[in-house]
Amino acid sequence: GAVVSQHPSRVICKSGTSVKIECRSLDFQATTMFWYRQFPKQSLMLMATSNEGSKATYEQGVEKDKFLINHASLTLSTLTVTSAHPEDSSFYICSARGSSTQETQYFGPGTRLLVL
Amino acid sequence: GQNIDQPTEMTATEGAIVQINCTYQTSGFNGLFWYQQHAGEAPTFLSYNVLDGLEEKGRFSSFLSRSKGYSYLLLKELQMKDSASYLCAVMDSNYQLIWGAGTKLIIKP
Repeated sequence: GAVVSQHPSRVICKSGTSVKIECRSLDFQATTMFWYRQFPKQSLMLMATSNEGSKATYEQGVEKDKFLINHASLTLSTLTVTSAHPEDSSFYICSARGSSTQETQYFGPGTRLLVL
Repeated sequence: GQNIDQPTEMTATEGAIVQINCTYQTSGFNGLFWYQQHAGEAPTFLSYNVLDGLEEKGRFSSFLSRSKGYSYLLLKELQMKDSASYLCAVMDSNYQLIWGAGTKLIIKP
């Protein structure tokens, strides 16, 4: 299957700081990337969908000014958690899909964020 | 509303067979996915069904009945490493993935 990388895999930061997470598709062009959040023992929750070169579409209840998404190229999307607070501590996972809307989403390995 | 139902937890014995069911009610249908997620890790793709019938891939098979809004994932010759959560997801008419809550599968020796 296709390979998606995510960096960093784990980050600990102080409350009030911003954290940037990178998601890269390594062997295919990702027209669409998705950002998910998963709290312990809960299901995946879609935060936003981003298409290369356009603004991200955020799910209801997700603050676009807090979770900044940039999808500047067909292989890279970034999620910036601005002014992070302890309640933002979670497992953030990106996935990527090629040009066909019916193509499989392939997931990155995830980023575990802990805000102190 | 859109809904995906799958059992919360199942237990099976090493070497045995287990079937994980998934029923769905969505606005449109563009395929059903099964993913495996080990604790603390991201999901990995297992299978995709868009037509009725059985898709076999090694020890794993996935079945779909669109008329019944039903799918199952069949795992044969269970191994301890199969202990994980199995997520059912349906792609709706807007090509959005609707996720089930996942089935935690516990394998006992």
